[in-house]
Amino acid sequence: DSGVTQTPKHLITATGQRVTLRCSPRSGDLSVYWYQQSLDQGLQFLIHYYNGEERAKGNILERFSAQQFPDLHSELNLSSLELGDSALYFCASSVGPNSYNSPLHFGNGTRLTVT
Amino acid sequence: TQLLEQSPQFLSIQEGENLTVYCNSSSVFSSLQWYRQEPGEGPVLLVTVVTGGEVKKLKRLTFQFGDARKDSSLHITAAQPGDTGLYLCAGHTSGTYKYIFGTGTRLKVLA
Repeated sequence: DSGVTQTPKHLITATGQRVTLRCSPRSGDLSVYWYQQSLDQGLQFLIHYYNGEERAKGNILERFSAQQFPDLHSELNLSSLELGDSALYFCASSVGPNSYNSPLHFGNGTRLTVT
Repeated sequence: TQLLEQSPQFLSIQEGENLTVYCNSSSVFSSLQWYRQEPGEGPVLLVTVVTGGEVKKLKRLTFQFGDARKDSSLHITAAQPGDTGLYLCAGHTSGTYKYIFGTGTRLKVLA
């Protein structure tokens, strides 16, 4: 158990809809990262928050947004969903924002299916 | 744009064989990590390498960071079915606040 909790585990929704994915980081971790993993592919970096502030953005679509709350949990909002948004969405946490010796601890992901 | 290419993309071998997975980039990284991911789960860290030329061993797994810190390799000796999974390398550069993941190598070890 990594200590990172992601909810829901599965999400099925229709095109054009909006969903919110939730992540609770490991106790003591201030950084939260979001990644997208399409079928049999590597992880695409979306966004990184540290202690409530955005620190880095990757290939995140304008239809997607995220935030980290004062209690350090994070939410990833996906709107105007398209079939191509179907993927596994992972949240990972680490102690700090830029510590090479601070590995990422991943949740078990949210599987989003857009029909 | 930083990219990490892994090879091979897929590998299916018999139990007891040796294998090497490569992770290459044109960018220099401050550190590089290797993760293993099993179906239905998130990636789990195997090792972090920091110094150019560094070699780390984890039981039957040997990890090496290239001298120029642009590439890395993972060697598995006498593979076992329990080694089956998706192997991912991830590079980190100080000041960028992100980990870039490689394209992944899917390994299947047959009993």
